[in-house]
Amino acid sequence: NAGVTQTPKFRILKIGQSMTLQCTQDMNHNYMYWYRQDPGMGLKLIYYSVGAGITDKGEVPNGYNVSRSTTEDFPLRLELAAPSQTSVYFCASRDRESPLHFGNGTRLTVT
Amino acid sequence: DAKTTQPPSMDCAEGRAANLPCNHSTISGNEYVYWYRQIHSQGPQYIIHGLKNNETNEMASLIITEDRKSSTLILPHATLRDTAVYYCIVRVAENAGGTSYGKLTFGQGTILTVHP
Repeated sequence: NAGVTQTPKFRILKIGQSMTLQCTQDMNHNYMYWYRQDPGMGLKLIYYSVGAGITDKGEVPNGYNVSRSTTEDFPLRLELAAPSQTSVYFCASRDRESPLHFGNGTRLTVT
Repeated sequence: DAKTTQPPSMDCAEGRAANLPCNHSTISGNEYVYWYRQIHSQGPQYIIHGLKNNETNEMASLIITEDRKSSTLILPHATLRDTAVYYCIVRVAENAGGTSYGKLTFGQGTILTVHP
């Protein structure tokens, strides 16, 4: 059981580039989440999904897009990277009454 | 979804109990209280959760007031490895309708520093 796997671990982007942060889980969890964490700050919810084909905006969705075509995968897309998107991104999943399981994070720098 | 308020930081001596408070005065009857902690920049780790009754597991105890407007996480014998950011969040139960039951937001948390 790998749990929640995020790739890549680190990435440096230039302003205006795009990329997809990958997240996959092998626990058959229906609920999946993307958070960002700026230095010294708490976690901010970007998007979440309560099942395949269903996604919803969180607190800070601007500049991001998601899709949920399968139960296992929940990729996060940055279309036009900006310095303000420099952050650590965490993916998490859970089932109905279970707690959140987090991945190890992706550290993104936009310069 | 109910918001939570936590003190920004707390100190605790090694071996003593650490009592971390959380205020959730707008909590609804169908919302659970969950506690997580984050060590360094790792992904947060689940600690404990409860609805109405006090709960205990191998990591901690959770005391929820009778009116459910606040709770306290207790680490009975804090160690240096318990130094972390502790987050208290509330989560709507499954039968709330719509997709709002899926939304989980975190506050700033409490930075707990355990010193020798």
